[in-house]
Amino acid sequence: DAEITQSPRHKITETGRQVTLACHQTWNHNNMFWYRQDLGHGLRLIHYSYGVQDTNKGEVSDGYSVSRSNTEDLPLTLESAASSQTSVYFCASSESYAGELFFGEGSRLTVL
Amino acid sequence: DQQVKQNSPSLSVQEGRISILNCDYTNSMFDYFLWYKKYPAEGPTFLISISSIKDKNEDGRFTVFLNKSAKHLSLHIVPSQPGDSAVYFCAARGSGTYKYIFGTGTRLKVLA
Repeated sequence: DAEITQSPRHKITETGRQVTLACHQTWNHNNMFWYRQDLGHGLRLIHYSYGVQDTNKGEVSDGYSVSRSNTEDLPLTLESAASSQTSVYFCASSESYAGELFFGEGSRLTVL
Repeated sequence: DQQVKQNSPSLSVQEGRISILNCDYTNSMFDYFLWYKKYPAEGPTFLISISSIKDKNEDGRFTVFLNKSAKHLSLHIVPSQPGDSAVYFCAARGSGTYKYIFGTGTRLKVLA
């Protein structure tokens, strides 16, 4: 079955370290998204991509970057982790013509 | 500025009764709306969608209503079941884009 997977599922890191969260989907979807979930804020869009070599900033992109070198993967990088980036991160994908997003299981990141 | 709002953080309903979850939006360019359900430690899962050209969409126990003039949508669950206890997010997409803006979520508790 096609799916979307995130890794690691849990990570603890220190302030100032670089962290990369992986997202891999096997649906061959063009659209991929990264959201973060925080209490009182719901799901907020960090970055998104509509295809290979395409990346765009979302609502809360400061301190994050993404790259899209193939259809299947959209890794999210925190260049210098901050305590404010402690959150649960969700990757999602969608087909261009269909509406719904398919989400991964989430990656819980703690920055100490 | 929150473009998609879910003003009720939580809702409790007796099993068998109707659950009504509400969502308001501010951007009149939104043309497609989704509802997601999320259990703890899992990714959000798609429930139901509605296009701005419709005012109602039904799928089993779930019905979504859209009032464009009021910029308001609601999700009705009838009858409510204990397994429906989860956090529910509404999401909206602007015309010509594939990115979704999510609300802050409503935690539904269905009491047996």
